[in-house]
Amino acid sequence: GAVVSQHPSWVICKSGTSVKIECRSLDFQATTMFWYRQFPKQSLMLMATSNEGSKATYEQGVEKDKFLINHASLTLSTLTVTSAHPEDSSFYICSARQQYQETQYFGPGTRLLVL
Amino acid sequence: GQNIDQPTEMTATEGAIVQINCTYQTSGFNGLFWYQQHAGEAPTFLSYNVLDGLEEKGRFSSFLSRSKGYSYLLLKELQMKDSASYLCAVWDAGNNRKLIWGLGTSLAVNP
Repeated sequence: GAVVSQHPSWVICKSGTSVKIECRSLDFQATTMFWYRQFPKQSLMLMATSNEGSKATYEQGVEKDKFLINHASLTLSTLTVTSAHPEDSSFYICSARQQYQETQYFGPGTRLLVL
Repeated sequence: GQNIDQPTEMTATEGAIVQINCTYQTSGFNGLFWYQQHAGEAPTFLSYNVLDGLEEKGRFSSFLSRSKGYSYLLLKELQMKDSASYLCAVWDAGNNRKLIWGLGTSLAVNP
């Protein structure tokens, strides 16, 4: 149980384009999903928290107009990196949590390379 | 302020036991997590402690002392595949309900 998937696992795009990453909870309903970014040899950095049916809460320094998050259902959240630039290249990981549960389960991550 | 400290790197030998410590100072506390992260992969859940004491799960055990702001992850009968980064995280329900992450301990298991 508690399986989270992400798609795509790898994406390469040109600078200026937008990229959408999907995060799905496969066997449970995720009332809350989290989006993280991780640079090589660094710890996880929380970007935003999204609750199903409401607007995401962004961490300080994360541009909400650049990183669009949608959590329209209890099993799906999406992160769209708009007008991507090379500095957005990173490992993006989502996690999901059930209502009244504390444990977050992580998706396998998406590697984004912006050329 | 909020702070989680764990050693940056550790080395151990296959078959041995290793203890990875984590100390924390957070404004709220609703539990402590340990995650394992292999290079290039996402974290996987290992343990969750909310009460004081030792939780054992196979070769891995996790201990918590809330009064001391201290936890450790104990790995027994080390295997080469245990070489990974081990992340300590505190669930701070008082801080917009989010996990506060340590920087991780990179464990190298040598033959």
